Formats: sequence, structure tokens, C-alpha cells
Amino acid sequence: RKEVEQDPGPFNVPEGATVAFNCTYSNSASQSFFWYRQDCRKEPKLLMSVYSSGNEDGRFTAQLNRASQYISLLIRDSKLSDSATYLCVPWPGGGADGLTFGKGTHLIIQP
Amino acid sequence: NAGVTQTPKFQVLKTGQSMTLQCAQDMNHEYMSWYRQDPGMGLRLIHYSVGAGITDQGEVPNGYNVSRSTTEDFPLRLLSAAPSQTSVYFCASTARAGNTIYFGEGSWLTVV
Repeated sequence: RKEVEQDPGPFNVPEGATVAFNCTYSNSASQSFFWYRQDCRKEPKLLMSVYSSGNEDGRFTAQLNRASQYISLLIRDSKLSDSATYLCVPWPGGGADGLTFGKGTHLIIQP
Repeated sequence: NAGVTQTPKFQVLKTGQSMTLQCAQDMNHEYMSWYRQDPGMGLRLIHYSVGAGITDQGEVPNGYNVSRSTTEDFPLRLLSAAPSQTSVYFCASTARAGNTIYFGEGSWLTVV
């Protein structure tokens, strides 16, 4: 099983809709999780950190399911500006601690 | 706020040439790392360092060398460039494992 797995998408979602996608992790000892956002041809930037069962920041909610070892990111009332690739990083991870990213999920918000 | 600074931003190399991608951070972070990103492949870790004088290999280290003589700098050396090394390279730093990772703006490398 890969350290971090994400559905690459693309997820095509109409503006205003709610969308959710998951990140599956292999290390059952993972305690913290980070969602990064990467715009086209730009560097990734931190979107949200999750240290317990979940976190909420405005329209963005992250929920952790430890039993099934995945973390989800839910975006409500999606905006055109939410179009990006969303990357997940668990910690502790596998080999290079906390430095291994999933391939990301590509989200396209359509007008 | 400078953060993580990478140079050059764009570079074209001929096959067999060598070059160094520079990376510097001014946040006094212990961890630094290099990634390459290719279409459909996500961010792949090349090399990383958990402190000055300490480096380790990531997922795709072949063809690259690194050193960490100071906390601030973490250069990536391409020994003999190959077309397969055409990619976007990101340098990153973080204070310690499990903290926010900060990225440079990327270096676009084309090997012809």
C-alpha cells in the first residue's frame, strides 16, 4: 500500500456545489495531517492542518477517519478560485518523515 | 519576508552538462528538501536534510547530489543532465517533522 493515496481526478464541479475528496494513508501511527493547495505552475501552500478528529476553516472542513485511515476535505459553496490541486501529507508518515506528498486531487470549479 | 528562495527560475541545459540549483531559507528551519514535479506524477522527494551536515535520499535520488553545510542553504546538483531530468524543481523547508512545509517558487529546468 502506498504511503499516501489520493484520487487524482479531475473533479469537475459546478460553482456553488459541495465537493469532497479523500486521502488514504498507510501509517496507522499518523497523528497530524496537512492539506496543501497548489495552483497551476505555482508552489504548494498550506491550506489546513488537522491535529485531532477534524478541523474547519470557513468553507473548508477536514474530517479524519482513523478506523479506515483516511482524511477527507470538504469544500462548501465552491468558488471558481477553488480550482487547484489539493495535496495531503500525513505525519508521521513512512520513509521521509512528514515530507511525502500524495499525488493530489485536481479540482475544477465550472461556472 | 523572503522565506524559501530558489535560483534560477528557468534554465535550459544540454545533455551531459552539470549545474546547481540554489536554495536558501531565512526561517532557521532544520529540515530542507528538494522535490521534482512532473505531469501526473505529483511531488516526488529527491533528497532531504534534517540539519546541517545531514542529508538523506528520497524517492528519486539518482542523478542528483546535495550537501548541507549551513542551516540556510541546500543546493541541488545535477551531475550530468539528461532529458529525463526535465522537470519543475521545488525546494522546501520546515522547522521540524510534522510542521508546515514552506516551498520556494520553483525552478523550471529543460534538458535538451
